[in-house]
Amino acid sequence: QVQLVESGGGVVQPGGSLTLSCVGPGLAFSSYTMYWVRQSPGKGLECVAYMSVNGNKKYYADPVKGRFTISRDNSKGILFLQMMSLRAEDTAVYYCARDLKVGYSHIYGYWGQGTVVTASS
Amino acid sequence: QSALTQPPSASGSPGQSVTISCTGTSADIGGYTFVSWYQQHPGKAPKLIIYDVTERPSGIPDRFSGSKSGNTASLTVSGLQAEDEADYYCNSYAGNNNTVFGTGTKVTVL
Repeated sequence: QVQLVESGGGVVQPGGSLTLSCVGPGLAFSSYTMYWVRQSPGKGLECVAYMSVNGNKKYYADPVKGRFTISRDNSKGILFLQMMSLRAEDTAVYYCARDLKVGYSHIYGYWGQGTVVTASS
Repeated sequence: QSALTQPPSASGSPGQSVTISCTGTSADIGGYTFVSWYQQHPGKAPKLIIYDVTERPSGIPDRFSGSKSGNTASLTVSGLQAEDEADYYCNSYAGNNNTVFGTGTKVTVL
C-alpha cells in the first residue's frame, strides 16, 4: 500500500510564506517523479510543480512560477514545496502525488490525503 | 492551456452504465495516447482508475473502461454501484512536459 502524507498547510496572510512537506515511507520514493497538485473550488485540479528523480527536470505552472520552489530529499523520502508571496488565489487543497511508472510518465498514480492552504487576511 | 471540457453531471440507476465525455483539442487529447481518469469521493483524494486511455491500475474493477476518438476521451462505468457515486476527472498530456485536467463530472447513482 503506497502511502503519502502531506503536512505544513495552514492559514497565512497574503504575501506570506509556507513550506509543505510530503513523506512516503516504503515508497521507493527515489525512483519516481513527484508532483504537487492543488484543487480549489474555482479552478479545479491543477499540477503546480513536479520534479524528476534526480532533480534535473523541474516544472512550475505559470501562476506559481517565481514564487514556489519544489525540492526533494531522496535519502529521507521527503518532497517539499516552498511557497512564497502567497495570494488569495493560491488557496486550495494541496496534494502530493507519485508517478505511476518508474521515471516520468505524467500519470498521478498515488496521492496523499492533502493539506489545506488558505491565504487570507 | 484551457481545461478539458466535461459535462457537469451524469447519472444512472444501479446496474446501468454511464459514459462521461472529455473534450480537448489536437494539442492534448487528440495528439497523444496519454489520457487518464481519476475518481474522487467527497473529502478524499483523487484516485487513478484509468491511464494510457484504456489501462486499469491493479485493483480497479473491469466495470471501468476508457476509450478515445479524435479529440474526445470517454470513461464508461458499467454495472453502476452505489460506491461509484463520486466526481470524475479526466487528464491528458498536453505537450511541453505538462498535463491538463478536465472540469470534472459528478456521477449520481439514482
